[in-house]
Amino acid sequence: EVQLVESGGGLVQPGESLRLSCAASGFSFSSYTMNWVRQAPGKGLEWVSYITRSGSTMYHADSVKGRFIISRDNAKSSLYLQMNSLREEDTAVYYCARDGYGDGYGVFDNWGQGTLVTVSS
Amino acid sequence: DIQMTQSPSTLSASVGDRVTITCRASQSISSWLAWYQQKPGKAPKLLIYKASSLEGGVPSRFSGSGSGTEFTLTISSLQPDDCASYYCQQYNSYPWTFGQGTKVEIK
Repeated sequence: EVQLVESGGGLVQPGESLRLSCAASGFSFSSYTMNWVRQAPGKGLEWVSYITRSGSTMYHADSVKGRFIISRDNAKSSLYLQMNSLREEDTAVYYCARDGYGDGYGVFDNWGQGTLVTVSS
Repeated sequence: DIQMTQSPSTLSASVGDRVTITCRASQSISSWLAWYQQKPGKAPKLLIYKASSLEGGVPSRFSGSGSGTEFTLTISSLQPDDCASYYCQQYNSYPWTFGQGTKVEIK
């Protein structure tokens, strides 16, 4: 069974940093491209970041470009999101999501349960 | 960026009703469209990809259609378990974008 388990969320002040992790199991992690998707409280879904299987290529949404960095450790079957210079508008549940139908295909067939990041003074 | 617009925002229907949700893209996305179901406090669940391909394990009462800029998600016979929010998503080009969601309620 595919499992994605996020951790690392919490309450931080504007301008601070946070690192999210996603532990993957039940599939060959290195064979899939991966993503982070977020959802602000009571709002819709927003794709945040994408990373290739090897980790050599990443894409980020304009809203986080220059502040967030996606990375992965295939030996540990783990995905990460380093979030710097956090803003109140980054408050959201952050999900890691597997790209299920091919490299960079963009269809998220498995999701974690999410981790809540709250940015507030 | 490609804008995705769903209608209606909220839908109330009776058990057994046929329900249709519409999703429009601001430019052609061919058939590169997915639909997700999300229940309160839970992660989204993939229902349909490539506009009309049913994800494994998803009940056959769900179906998708459309291409270009106009797409629909249909629930042929609404069940109580279908109370949820539904989101369309385009994956034609970066950044991948979602519709604002449609909340389906039971009358």
